Parts: sequence; structure tokens; C-alpha cells
Amino acid sequence: DVKVTQSSRYLVKRTGEKVFLECVQDMDHENMFWYRQDPGLGLRLIYFSYDVKMKEKGDIPEGYSVSREKKERFSLILESASTNQTSMYLCASSSDTLRGQARFGPGTRLTVT
Amino acid sequence: DAKTTQPPSMDCAEGRAANLPCNHSTISGNEYVYWYRQIHSQGPQYIIHGLKNNETNEMASLIITEDRKSSTLILPHATLRDTAVYYCIVRGYNTNAGKSTFGDGTTLTVKP
Repeated sequence: DVKVTQSSRYLVKRTGEKVFLECVQDMDHENMFWYRQDPGLGLRLIYFSYDVKMKEKGDIPEGYSVSREKKERFSLILESASTNQTSMYLCASSSDTLRGQARFGPGTRLTVT
Repeated sequence: DAKTTQPPSMDCAEGRAANLPCNHSTISGNEYVYWYRQIHSQGPQYIIHGLKNNETNEMASLIITEDRKSSTLILPHATLRDTAVYYCIVRGYNTNAGKSTFGDGTTLTVKP
């Protein structure tokens, strides 16, 4: 079964730590996305990538960076985690031929203490 | 992207049809209606999409009004596992759904 996987379902980090969230897709999709989801705010796009080594800012990129060294892997980096980055993080991917049908991962619940 | 409006919550009895409405009065001619759902603690899942004709797949049916200003997602025989948040989004065809804004959606609760 084709899928998008995320490295952890639950993660607890301390304020100031550097945090890496990994996303891997096995569908050879060109496009990959990182969101955060908070109650009452819906899904908000952080960063996305249309190709290897390419990235673009989404709606809320502040405090985050990304890396896409290989087509199947898209990493989200919190350079210095803060408590306001406690959230559910979702990764998604889509192909160029079916961009309307994004495939999402299960999510990572990050708590920063 | 056109803005969409959905009721915040709905209930449905198990085995009955669930009809979830979405208003998108500012939709433009080349924009499609997409539906996703998110079951608790999982990522959103694509359900169906359409332009102007009614569409059906193994998961659901999509009815789009003739003026395209609203649509209804129909789950013909709702089960408890259909309890989820349902999102209606409007996008140009083959533009990245990944760049869509997923608002609050409709929380559907299927009751036994």
C-alpha cells in the first residue's frame, strides 16, 4: 500500500532544542508539504517543495526550515523549539499529474516543554 | 481559491445517508470542488472531486448545483467509522491541493 510516513507519532522536546521531523513518501511524488494543525485554526501550510533541493515558504514559515535532498524525503526543522510550536504536524505529497489529490501522513504530535 | 462555507457539525444515524453541504458562491469557471476527511488522530484523506457533473466513487457521491455555487457530499450508508471532520475546498484543476487552506470543516458524528 502506497503511503506517506512520518518518523514519530509523538515527540516531546525542551525549549531551545533543535527538532527534526522526517517525512518519507513511496509514491515518487514531486510535491511535498508540511503543515501544522491547531484547534480552531485548521491546517496551515508551513513550507512546500516542488522538486529536490527546492523549497518555498507557505503561510507560516517563521521559526521553521526545511530540507529536501532526495525526492522521497522532506524534513521539517525547528531550529530552536519554542512552546508555541507545540502542535500536530502533518506531511503531505502529491504528483504533478494529480495535484488535487494530496496524500497525507499520520501526523506527529509535538509537545515543547 | 474560492472561499467555502460549511456547517460546523452534523449528526447522522448509522446506516442512513449523510448529506454534507458546502457553499462556494465565489467559485470560478475553472475551479473544482474537492472533498477530504480527517478521522481523529490521522491525516486528511482525499474523498472525491468534481467540476460540474455529479460524481460517484466507492467512498461517496458529490452533487454540484447547476450554478456551481454549492455542493453536497453524500455518504450513502454512513457507518461509525465515517465519524470525522469533512473539508470542502475549491481549487483550480491540477493546482496543488497541498497549498489549499483547510478550514474548520464539518464534524460529522455517526451515531448507533
